[in-house]
Amino acid sequence: EAGVTQFPSHSVIEKGQTVTLRCDPISGHDNLYWYRRVMGKEIKFLLHFVKESKQDESGMPNNRFLAERTGGTYSTLKVQPAELEDSGVYFCASSHFGTIYNEQFFGPGTRLTVL
Amino acid sequence: AQKVTQAQTEISVVEKEDVTLDCVYETRDTTYYLFWYKQPPSGELVFLIRRNSFDEQNEISGRYSWNFQKSTSSFNFTITASQVVDSAVYFCALIGGNSGYSTLTFGKGTMLLVSP
Repeated sequence: EAGVTQFPSHSVIEKGQTVTLRCDPISGHDNLYWYRRVMGKEIKFLLHFVKESKQDESGMPNNRFLAERTGGTYSTLKVQPAELEDSGVYFCASSHFGTIYNEQFFGPGTRLTVL
Repeated sequence: AQKVTQAQTEISVVEKEDVTLDCVYETRDTTYYLFWYKQPPSGELVFLIRRNSFDEQNEISGRYSWNFQKSTSSFNFTITASQVVDSAVYFCALIGGNSGYSTLTFGKGTMLLVSP
C-alpha cells in the first residue's frame, strides 16, 4: 500500500510568487492534516480535513494560505503571495476517520524556500 | 492548551555513548497519547513509539527505551550505545482525547549528532 506522498519535495521561489503544494493521502483515509515546521521551531498544525470539509483550520497563519481538498482525495495548499517567513518544511498526514485515536501517517514533506 | 517541551536543542555524543532525550508535556486531557518521531537528514518523519496515558510501563525496543512518568509529565527517550545512523532530529508529540484525537502537538525537536 502506498504511503502519503507529497509534491514537490523541494520548492524555491521568490518573495511575492505563488506556490502550490500537493498531498496525496493513503487511499481510504478520510482525515488529512497539514503541518509546518519553520526552521528551529516546533512542527505546528495548520489544518485538518475530513473528506472535503475543513474540520479545523485554526492553525492557518493568515489569508495568504489556502487549502483545498476537492472530492475528498488529494489536497493542495497554496501560498499566495509567498513571504520570507513562509520558508519551512510542510508535512501532510492522513488517518482513518473515527472518534477514537487513529494513527496519523506522515508524508516526506515539502521543503519550501522563499528568497 | 497543550504544550510539549524539549529543552535540549542539540546533543552531541560519540558513538557507543548512551544518550537521553528529554520530553515534558502539559495537557488538561485525561486521556492522551505520547509519541516520539525521528527526522533523519532525508527529511521524512519516522514514527518510533506511541504510548497511551493509561500505560506507564516503560518500553524497550532494541537500543531504544522510553520512560513515561505521569507524575512528572515526562516521556524521555534513551538510546543505548548510540550509532552514527542515530543522528537526526527527534520530536516528542502529544495528542489529546478532548480534541477528538485530531491535532498533534509537537515539541521543537532535539538534534542528535553522533560522531564516530
